[in-house]
Amino acid sequence: DVKVTQSSRYLVKRTGEKVFLECVQDMDHENMFWYRQDPGLGLRLIYFSYDVKMKEKGDIPEGYSVSREKKERFSLILESASTNQTSMYLCASSLALGRDITDTQYFGPGTRLTVL
Amino acid sequence: RKEVEQDPGPFNVPEGATVAFNCTYSNSASQSFFWYRQDCRKEPKLLMSVYSSGNEDGRFTAQLNRASQYISLLIRDSKLSDSATYLCVVNTGNQFYFGTGTSLTVIP
Repeated sequence: DVKVTQSSRYLVKRTGEKVFLECVQDMDHENMFWYRQDPGLGLRLIYFSYDVKMKEKGDIPEGYSVSREKKERFSLILESASTNQTSMYLCASSLALGRDITDTQYFGPGTRLTVL
Repeated sequence: RKEVEQDPGPFNVPEGATVAFNCTYSNSASQSFFWYRQDCRKEPKLLMSVYSSGNEDGRFTAQLNRASQYISLLIRDSKLSDSATYLCVVNTGNQFYFGTGTSLTVIP
């Protein structure tokens, strides 16, 4: 079974803090994704990566950055957290080569981030 | 216009009922299609992929209509455990797009 893990289930941070969300997958997947999920808006793609050290912006990259130094790990960074970044953050991975991202995605359990 | 649109519901149906969800997508070049299930406060999990010829997995049937750009999910003989949010997912070859989900509650 594919296992995608996220570093925290719940996180509370203050405005202006730097926040790191970690995601690890154990199935040697090429592609990794970060989404946020908000009521009425569904899942929105923040960033994705199709290879180590490669990253591409999704629909809402503003206020976020990512890092992929190793194949199994994809980190989401909030440089200066703001209250409008309070959300559920979901990491996903998929097995695909290069930039073919048509394969099924597997999700981690999510991190519910609250920014006060 | 949203890439993927779903009726949010909620759908409240009695046990044993048949229920159908539809989802429309805007990009005619979309390549792959999926239904995911998401339980309350949990992550989405793949329910089934949707193939051009339609496919069935037990009580679940998925259909794709490329001409009209919609996909559907039919659940027969609903169980209490089917209560969840069902997400329609479309892949354009560059990105996955998620619908906002349709909420289903199966009532005893």
